[in-house]
Amino acid sequence: SQQGEEDPQALSIQEGENATMNCSYKTSINNLQWYRQNSGRGLVHLILIRSNEREKHSGRLRVTLDTSKKSSSLLITASRAADTASYFCATDANNAGNMLTFGGGTRLMVKP
Amino acid sequence: DAGVIQSPRHEVTEMGQEVTLRCKPISGHDYLFWYRQTMMRGLELLIYFNNNVPIDDSGMPEDRFSAKMPNASFSTLKIQPSEPRDSAVYFCASTITENYGYTFGSGTRLTVV
Repeated sequence: SQQGEEDPQALSIQEGENATMNCSYKTSINNLQWYRQNSGRGLVHLILIRSNEREKHSGRLRVTLDTSKKSSSLLITASRAADTASYFCATDANNAGNMLTFGGGTRLMVKP
Repeated sequence: DAGVIQSPRHEVTEMGQEVTLRCKPISGHDYLFWYRQTMMRGLELLIYFNNNVPIDDSGMPEDRFSAKMPNASFSTLKIQPSEPRDSAVYFCASTITENYGYTFGSGTRLTVV
């Protein structure tokens, strides 16, 4: 079963705009991660946020985590056409060792 | 490091045939994961290994699927006999205990006809 669920399932924006994707999960976690997948390729790790962290930045990426609401958001600022991809959140549950469970993903299209 | 290497990239086989997918993790990584991705079910964890030992295979669909990791640098996922519903992209990923970010291979696109 999927631990994380992304919202929206699909998002279309213009280049230069910000893109926000949300993720909700069900059980307590050690950390939450975001991955990007370009069409026909493997997933690429973007950023990890631990359960005791509330916000993290990496370049144009900003991730927030609200453990009380069991939710996270990924913000991509000043989007580019090259950001077009699917974005997945993944959770490392407390009693699941190093095992990640992935959500269904958000398909982002950035129009030039 | 060349990353996680999977082979073949594409596999087309007839129903009933045996299929073997291969994975070489990143050197030094002690965790290896096999995932399957389909449009209907998304990314599903099939099995994972720690230090070459299978830890959780509860995601393996049925007895037709088996996975091995004979050493730290090689793993196989075998489907015997294959069925059309096994058609999917199969990913291998690896990570090291201290770093929870996974490195994924490029995947094997399996088509069973």
